[in-house]
Amino acid sequence: GQQVMQIPQYQHVQEGEDFTTYCNSSTTLSNIQWYKQRPGGHPVFLIQLVKSGEVKKQKRLTFQFGEAKKNSSLHITATQTTDVGTYFCAGPVNYGGSQGNLIFGKGTKLSVKP
Amino acid sequence: NAGVTQTPKFRVLKTGQSMTLLCAQDMNHEYMYWYRQDPGMGLRLIHYSVGEGTTAKGEVPDGYNVSRLKKQNFLLGLESAAPSQTSVYFCASSSRGQTYEQYFGPGTRLTVT
Repeated sequence: GQQVMQIPQYQHVQEGEDFTTYCNSSTTLSNIQWYKQRPGGHPVFLIQLVKSGEVKKQKRLTFQFGEAKKNSSLHITATQTTDVGTYFCAGPVNYGGSQGNLIFGKGTKLSVKP
Repeated sequence: NAGVTQTPKFRVLKTGQSMTLLCAQDMNHEYMYWYRQDPGMGLRLIHYSVGEGTTAKGEVPDGYNVSRLKKQNFLLGLESAAPSQTSVYFCASSSRGQTYEQYFGPGTRLTVT
């Protein structure tokens, strides 16, 4: 069945280092969304990418959507302790009868050492 | 504007007991979802609704039932709780479907002993 895979599962960095998480889909996606979940919190929407090869930036965060629309990445420059949390990618479920649904990757848990 | 709210926040059940989790949203969203989150498993869809009076099964629906009698509310029921249903449950809503962001509630932490 359709799968969305994220690597790495965990990442420990020193504050100020860069961080990247990768998302790979088993199928072509019409769009991809990214969410962040702080420890003890709930997922919060960060961004959506729609176009092939699209790159979007939010301050120190850079999001990319692959040319084939099957992979995506999130890169954080110069991590800060406020970046701690789990980052999820999610893509539309594309089998019949599943309108409106997203399939989530298992997430990358980022910890930042001050 | 409270967004998405969930009650209760925490609950401990004994095996075989039943309970209902309530989700409410004040954004007039059409779509609502129930997820469970287990360590290392990400978010898995239990049931969802594309409008008032409609519900459908997600990835892991067994042992759960849902109802959407009012547009703003989405109820998740456990008829006979099992230890395997120990999890954190999140409700979410969106104005449309797959191209619209989902807004999540704060979650309900359920333990079944």
